[in-house]
Amino acid sequence: GAGVSQTPSNKVTEKGKYVELRCDPISGHTALYWYRQSLGQGPEFLIYFQGTGAADDSGLPNDRFFAVRPEGSVSTLKIQRTERGDSAVYLCASSLRGQGSNEQFFGPGTRLTVL
Amino acid sequence: AQSVTQLGSHVSVSEGALVLLRCNYSSSVPPYLFWYVQYPNQGLQLLLKYTTGATLVKGINGFEAEFKKSETSFHLTKPSAHMSDAAEYFCAVPNSGGYQKVTFGIGTKLQVIP
Repeated sequence: GAGVSQTPSNKVTEKGKYVELRCDPISGHTALYWYRQSLGQGPEFLIYFQGTGAADDSGLPNDRFFAVRPEGSVSTLKIQRTERGDSAVYLCASSLRGQGSNEQFFGPGTRLTVL
Repeated sequence: AQSVTQLGSHVSVSEGALVLLRCNYSSSVPPYLFWYVQYPNQGLQLLLKYTTGATLVKGINGFEAEFKKSETSFHLTKPSAHMSDAAEYFCAVPNSGGYQKVTFGIGTKLQVIP
């Protein structure tokens, strides 16, 4: 079956612009996660959705970052007034349920470059 | 909060040699521990998962990890490295306050020399 997909695979933008990153999870997975991976680092948790609601958004770095999952499937990570420090690979993952024992399946990521 | 430490951001081994990638967890025994692998230009893939009570955990592609409470370690090993094992490996642990949040180590990049 299809895995987690993310679009675009690469996004180059200018400082101050707005970007949207899309994640399409595995069908039937109720839990969805966003991570950010900077160069030389492991993935860093941003936000977790259970269904349509953000159950834990404690990893979002500031109010320029926002994510939605209106129908409990596709999710969009939105970044306003982008800064050069936002450059990273943004990873999306999904799991059957939001439990620690559940394997998270990762997408290939979106590489965001802010010039 | 739980955390993991991976010693050695880069490890090089010869093809056919033992692979040993180190991971130590921070404090109390976690209910779960994970090793993920990231091949170039691909998403992370689960290699293996520790659950409470296990000691030696077997994963995919011939990898295994031994949980040692006395050393707070969960090192990843493979008896004989293949060229296809060249990738980045991440140890990870769920957050103790909410298992959904997973904390990753910084990763160890494995190079296999022919």
